Formats: sequence, structure tokens, C-alpha cells
Amino acid sequence: DAGITQSPRHKVTETGTPVTLRCHQTENHRYMYWYRQDPGHGLRLIHYSYGVKDTDKGEVSDGYSVSRSKTEDFLLTLESATSSQTSVYFCAIDGTGYNEQFFGPGTRLTVL
Amino acid sequence: EDQVTQSPEALRLQEGESSSLNCSYTVSGLRGLFWYRQDPGKGPEFLFTLYSAGEEKEKERLKATLTKKESFLHITAPKPEDSATYLCAVQAYFGNEKLTFGTGTRLTIIP
Repeated sequence: DAGITQSPRHKVTETGTPVTLRCHQTENHRYMYWYRQDPGHGLRLIHYSYGVKDTDKGEVSDGYSVSRSKTEDFLLTLESATSSQTSVYFCAIDGTGYNEQFFGPGTRLTVL
Repeated sequence: EDQVTQSPEALRLQEGESSSLNCSYTVSGLRGLFWYRQDPGKGPEFLFTLYSAGEEKEKERLKATLTKKESFLHITAPKPEDSATYLCAVQAYFGNEKLTFGTGTRLTIIP
């Protein structure tokens, strides 16, 4: 167990509503990541953080924003959810940015 | 652009029947190649990191190997509990700390 929790674990929402997913770690790792996983695409990086208030975009960042005000929490926000954002979202942590990443249990998001 | 291709997409084996999964990659300077196991409804679980061609790592019935163009995950005498999706990912020296993942191989071991 890498000490990562995600909340909520499941969410159903409607198109146009804002959604925030939370990732919480107890390992004090510097790096945190948000991925989405879709059939046929594998895991794709949305955003990542390399420290408190330090974030950067991944390959599929459009429509998503992130915030990290504390080391242990990394929030992913969908400002106005669309059906194309229906996916399973995973958070990951890494101590240095150049080692293996450890993943949380995931959040299944459905946008109707 | 970094790319990872895994084959086959799915593999069914009898219990005890050894086989290999393939991960072909193109990357602008390999920093590391990672193997993960993912069970249905769960997050990926880290298995191995390989850093240079010729390197091998083992864990129980699994052995990962690396060449300059591909990695293999060898499964020896598998058991039903080895059934899972196996993911491969690469990280490049140049650029950010991003991992590029393949789409995985879904392995089923039949008792």
C-alpha cells in the first residue's frame, strides 16, 4: 500500500457541472500525477505537480485544472464536465520524479 | 514523440504454460522502463524498473528483460493468480518526468 487515497471512488454527474477529484498521500512525496485511463489509449498524463503550488500540463490537459496547496493533497477539477471526460482517473506519487510511480485505487467518473 | 506498443493485446494460457509478453518502445533517450500489473477495478501495481540494455529483474514467476528496442516479461509456470493486465511504460531523459504507457496485455491463466 503506497499510502494514496482518492475520493470519491465513483461519481456520476451531468454535462456542464463542475467536478473536483481529490488525491491524498501520506508518504510526503514531492511529485504527484493525475492520469486518465480509457480503453485503447492506456494511461495518459493530465497534469502533474513537482511541489506545493508547482504544477505543469501533461498530454491531455485541455478541460482540466489542478491545484496543490499542501504536500499531501492534489486536486483535479473539471470546470464544466463533458461526456468525453467519462473515464477512470488515477493519481500517482513519486519521490524524485525519476523513479517508479505508485498509483492510487482510481476514481470512476461518468458524465451523462 | 515517445511510443510504447505492447503485444499481444490478450493472451490465454493454461496453468503452468510459460510464455512472454512484449513491449516495443521508441524514446529519445531511455531513462527507465517500467512494468506494472493491473487487476480489474484497481490501480496499477509496480513490478520492475529496467534502466539499461541487458538488464534483467526477477520476482517470483516473472522475469523482465531489456534490449535497446524492446522489453520482455517472461512468465514461468504461471498460476491463475497471475491473471491480470500487464502494463509497460517508458520515461525519457529529455523533457519532463512523464511516463508514456502502452495499452497493456490482458493475461488469463486457465486452471
